[in-house]
Amino acid sequence: DVKVTQSSRYLVKRTGEKVFLECVQDMDHENMFWYRQDPGLGLRLIYFSYDVKMKEKGDIPEGYSVSREKKERFSLILESASTNQTSMYLCASSRPSGASYEQYFGPGTRLTVT
Amino acid sequence: AQSVAQPEDQVNVAEGNPLTVKCTYSVSGNPYLFWYVQYPNRGLQFLLKYITGDNLVKGSYGFEAEFNKSQTSFHLKKPSALVSDSALYFCAVTPLEKSNYQLIWGAGTKLIIKP
Repeated sequence: DVKVTQSSRYLVKRTGEKVFLECVQDMDHENMFWYRQDPGLGLRLIYFSYDVKMKEKGDIPEGYSVSREKKERFSLILESASTNQTSMYLCASSRPSGASYEQYFGPGTRLTVT
Repeated sequence: AQSVAQPEDQVNVAEGNPLTVKCTYSVSGNPYLFWYVQYPNRGLQFLLKYITGDNLVKGSYGFEAEFNKSQTSFHLKKPSALVSDSALYFCAVTPLEKSNYQLIWGAGTKLIIKP
């Protein structure tokens, strides 16, 4: 089975702090995604990566950056956390190509910025 | 703009009754369609997908979904609901022209099954 893990389930940070969210997948997937989930808004794509060192902006990239130095690891970085970034963050991965391939999700990180 | 609509924020069903969670979409071309489920305090899990072929697709936990091209709908169904089906359900669509197969997500429908 595919396993996607995220470094923390719960995280509390202060405004202005730099925040790192880590995601690791164990199935050699080339595609990896970062979403945020907010009630009533569904999932919104922040960034995705289709290969090592490759990234593309999603729908809401402002205030975020990403890093993919190794195929299995995709990091989301909040350069200067703000209260409006309080949310549930979900990482996902999928097979190398093909729209028919479903995404596999990690358990999520609930981030609170105070 | 391309979009996915889940018109009901919440659906309440008595245990043992059939359930339907609705999804309609507005995308160009012939998209791929997905349903995901999120149980409390857990990540999203893939339920089923429609790619091509038979309009009725079967998935995990006894769920099925019917693709209706003329109505641009992909409703999720189950003949007999269980209390354990209570969860948040998301419909998602891949427009084929999206780079690397990004998904467009609905806002989610909370399904509550009452004993």
